[in-house]
Amino acid sequence: EDQVTQSPEALRLQEGESSSLNCSYTVSGLRGLFWYRQDPGKGPEFLFTLYSAGEEKEKERLKATLTKKESFLHITAPKPEDSATYLCAVPDSWGKLQFGAGTQVVVTP
Amino acid sequence: DAGVIQSPRHEVTEMGQEVTLRCKPISGHNSLFWYRQTMMRGLELLIYFNNNVPIDDSGMPEDRFSAKMPNASFSTLKIQPSEPRDSAVYFCASSLRLSTGELFFGEGSRLTVL
Repeated sequence: EDQVTQSPEALRLQEGESSSLNCSYTVSGLRGLFWYRQDPGKGPEFLFTLYSAGEEKEKERLKATLTKKESFLHITAPKPEDSATYLCAVPDSWGKLQFGAGTQVVVTP
Repeated sequence: DAGVIQSPRHEVTEMGQEVTLRCKPISGHNSLFWYRQTMMRGLELLIYFNNNVPIDDSGMPEDRFSAKMPNASFSTLKIQPSEPRDSAVYFCASSLRLSTGELFFGEGSRLTVL
């Protein structure tokens, strides 16, 4: 059965303190891995798509990387506005996205 | 574009009542999804439409749940009768190209069933 597991569940960072979030997956024939950001009271917002091992994508202070078994979302020198829940997702054979439980990130000034 | 529009944003109802949630996807998007989010189970896909046709409703919890998409610009999710365990945030999302993994979510409908 396809599974998406994210760790840690929660992360508290000081402003400027870089860290990484993990998303591990067990799917047959990966068709992409996707990262989303969700702010409280809002719907998830798309960040990145990664298709193959070794691929990297960047957006401001965020960088996503992909290996054959997992993906990392690196947050470099975070600011309070980076506080959010970060979700990763993989598609099943029909293309439907299966989301992980998310990592809640809090960045304090 | 206004994005995906959902209504109502909040709904409080009593057990046994019928609940109808509404969604207007982004114009031109051919895929529409209904998700449910709870603390315990995270984001769960309920049903997926492509070109207004239901493709997969395997995530619909039980017969009390039904969804329709009568045209490309409107979809409903109905719960009848509602139960307290249905309390959750229900999201509608649309997509132009599923292969990109880019879904556009609405702001959600928070349902509380007393």
